[in-house]
Formats: sequence, structure tokens, C-alpha cells
Amino acid sequence: EAQVTQNPRYLITVTGKKLTVTCSQNMNHEYMSWYRQDPGLGLRQIYYSMNVEVTDKGDVPEGYKVSRKEKRNFPLILESPSPNQTSLYFCASSLRPGGTTEAFFGQGTRLTVV
Amino acid sequence: QKEVEQNSGPLSVPEGAIASLNCTYSDRGSQSFFWYRQYSGKSPELIMFIYSNGDKEDGRFTAQLNKASQYVSLLIRDSQPSDSATYLCALGGSGSARQLTFGSGTQLTVLP
Repeated sequence: EAQVTQNPRYLITVTGKKLTVTCSQNMNHEYMSWYRQDPGLGLRQIYYSMNVEVTDKGDVPEGYKVSRKEKRNFPLILESPSPNQTSLYFCASSLRPGGTTEAFFGQGTRLTVV
Repeated sequence: QKEVEQNSGPLSVPEGAIASLNCTYSDRGSQSFFWYRQYSGKSPELIMFIYSNGDKEDGRFTAQLNKASQYVSLLIRDSQPSDSATYLCALGGSGSARQLTFGSGTQLTVLP
């Protein structure tokens, strides 16, 4: 089954404790991205990757890091989480760059930073 | 900066009626337009995409695009309670890899 898998689904952490949210896709897609979703603000792109070892900032990259060492994986790293990073996070992948073809989303990770 | 505007709703329609969801955008360079449906607590899923002016129909769904007026709409005919969800309008552009920009969504409730 074609899918994007995120883990964990739910995470409560404390300010400053580094965390990683994993994302993996099995569709051989080149393009992957991370979004955060906040009430009234919709989905905002954090980072994206065009291919292995090619990443770039989206609209709200501050406080986040990503890496793309393998085509299927695109982890999101919060080196020092803060309460304003409490949000619902989605990983997405698409066959071609994000604005041209369908984006497939993971199940989401609800992060709470206290 | 591309901006996508949607009425946040909530929009309520009775079962069997036509639901009309609208989206306006500011970037005239936008090339592709998507409608995603998101059930509460779930991830977005694609319903329709449209690239050319006019109407595009898929089952009970019709997407309408008017580039001159910079709006795109989604019509849902014979609305069902299972259509109750938030509908996200998304715009893509040409060239730039990160140009999939979402509106904040319209919450639709279909009343039995």
C-alpha cells in the first residue's frame, strides 16, 4: 500500500529537549516536505526536499532542521523545542515538486511542548 | 508572497443540497489548483485538481476556475453527512519547488 508514515503520532515533551519526528514514504517520490497546521493559519510549509541531500527552507523554518540522506526518509528535527512549536505536523511527498502534482500526507504528529 | 483566502465558515447545508466552497488568490502566476478534504484529526486528502479555466467534474464534485477573477471554487452536489469536513484550497506555481500554498480551510457541515 502506497503511504507516508510518520512517527510518533502524539508527543508531549519539555522545552529544550531535542526530538525527531520521522517520515518515510514507499512511493519512490523525489519531493518531500514538512508542514505545520495551526488553527486559523492553515498548513504552512517548514522545509522541503527536492531529492537526496537537497533541502531548502519553506515559509516557517525557524527552530527546525531536516535531513534527506535516503530518498524514502525525511526526518524533522527540533533541536531545542519551545512552546510555540506546539502544533500538528504533517509530512508529505509527491512525485514532482509540490505545486504540480498531488501531495500525499502522513497521518500527522500532534506535538505538545510544555 | 502568494496568498490564499477562504471563508473559514462554518458552512452548513442540508443533506442533498449543493455546497459551494470558494477560494480567492492573489498570485496571478498560479498554475495549478487543488482541493483537499480533511476530516477532523486526519490528514488532508486530494479531492480535485484543476489547471485550466472552466469547470471540471468528478462524480458529485465540480471544480471551477476563473483565472481572470482569481478564484477557484468547489461544488459538492447531493451533499451527504459524510462530506462534513474541512476543505482546503491549495495553489501551486511553476518552477519553485515549495510553491504549494494552502488556504486556512472552510469547515463544512452537512445536516441530516
